[in-house]
Formats: sequence, C-alpha cells, structure tokens
Amino acid sequence: AQSVSQHNHHVILSEAASLELGCNYSYGGTVNLFWYVQYPGQHLQLLLKYFSGDPLVKGIKGFEAEFIKSKFSFNLRKPSVQWSDTAEYFCAVKPNTNAGKSTFGDGTTLTVKP
Amino acid sequence: EAGVTQSPTHLIKTRGQQATLRCSPISGHTSVYWYQQALGLGLQFLLWYDEGEERNRGNFPPRFSGRQFPNYSSELNVNALELEDSALYLCASSVHTGSSYNEQFFGPGTRLTVL
Repeated sequence: AQSVSQHNHHVILSEAASLELGCNYSYGGTVNLFWYVQYPGQHLQLLLKYFSGDPLVKGIKGFEAEFIKSKFSFNLRKPSVQWSDTAEYFCAVKPNTNAGKSTFGDGTTLTVKP
Repeated sequence: EAGVTQSPTHLIKTRGQQATLRCSPISGHTSVYWYQQALGLGLQFLLWYDEGEERNRGNFPPRFSGRQFPNYSSELNVNALELEDSALYLCASSVHTGSSYNEQFFGPGTRLTVL
C-alpha cells in the first residue's frame, strides 16, 4: 500500500520568503502526483500535478514542484510567498493503475506573516 | 459550470444513529470519491464509485457504506455512529477511471458532529 509523508506540519514565513514543502511517498510502481491547496473557508483545489515527462511542473500562483524519482519526492516550491498563500497544502499520490486510489498526506499549514 | 455539491452542510447526530450524506458530481463526471478529514488529520480515503460500482474502499469498518445512483450522484451512509466519526466528509468527482490521470474536484464538505 502506498503512503505519503509531509515533513512539516506547520510552516510560518514572512512575505517574500522562499518556500519549500517536503513530500515523500512510498509506492513501487508508476504514480501520478498532486499538490492540493485549501485556502481558509474554501474548497480543496488542485495546485499542480505530475504524470510524466518534465519532472519540474508549474502550477497556479507561481508554485512549482519537482519530481525526483530516485528520492520518491515531490517537493513544492515558491520563490517568494505572499500573505494570500496562507493555506493548508496537501500532497497526494495516485498509482497509475485502473483501481488505484489517491493517498493524501496529513497536510502542511502555511502561515505567511505580512 | 457547477462544481461538486454536498448536502447537508452540517449534520448533528447522536451516538448510535445513522447519518446519510449526499454528493452531486460535476456534470459529465462518472467517478465519485469520499474522504474523511478528522480534525488535525489529513484526508483518509473512504470509498470510490464509478459507473455505479464500488471500485475501491479504504480501511474503514463496514458501517461506512455508500452507493452511486444512475445519475452519478452518491450517498455515504454511516451506521451506528460513534463519537470519533465526527469529521468533515469530503466528496470529490473526476471524469473517468482508467490508467490515465484523473484530477479530482472537491466539494465543500459535510461537517458531521456526533454527540
């Protein structure tokens, strides 16, 4: 069974600081990888995704993530955070099979101080 | 285009009762997923329905069950409610199953409180 580990439960940054949120997964086969974000009072929404090809993927609002297969990692980055990035971020893994279910990490709460 | 809708928004029950939660997927989506998000925890996968059939199930007891209707809407039923069932229950939908990617679109959730 697959699992997802998000290393940081709560991250506090000042505006303009750089962000990197860690995500590691365990699964032996091919996977699809996702980062979802939940802004205060809003639905979960997709930030970015990786299926195949270029391991560096870009998402909305200036976020990007890099898939490093050898490290089973899919870390989320943003060079300069804004107060509006305050939210909870979830990493998810879905095996690339017909019956594969998505497994989510426990989430990382990001607080950006103005 | 309307997103995933869930009802009710809030539900308060007492121990031992049954709860029924409903989800309407985005038009054209055939897959519906249910997740439990307990306070301070991540999303725990509950159930996945596609084309009216249960495709996969998470590590939850049998008192968590559901179904998908011909119009692809779905119900989650929780029998013999326990205090620890108190959580936000999220529904998500996607286009179709298969080996290709399926982005999941989430609804606002139903907050279930068991007293």
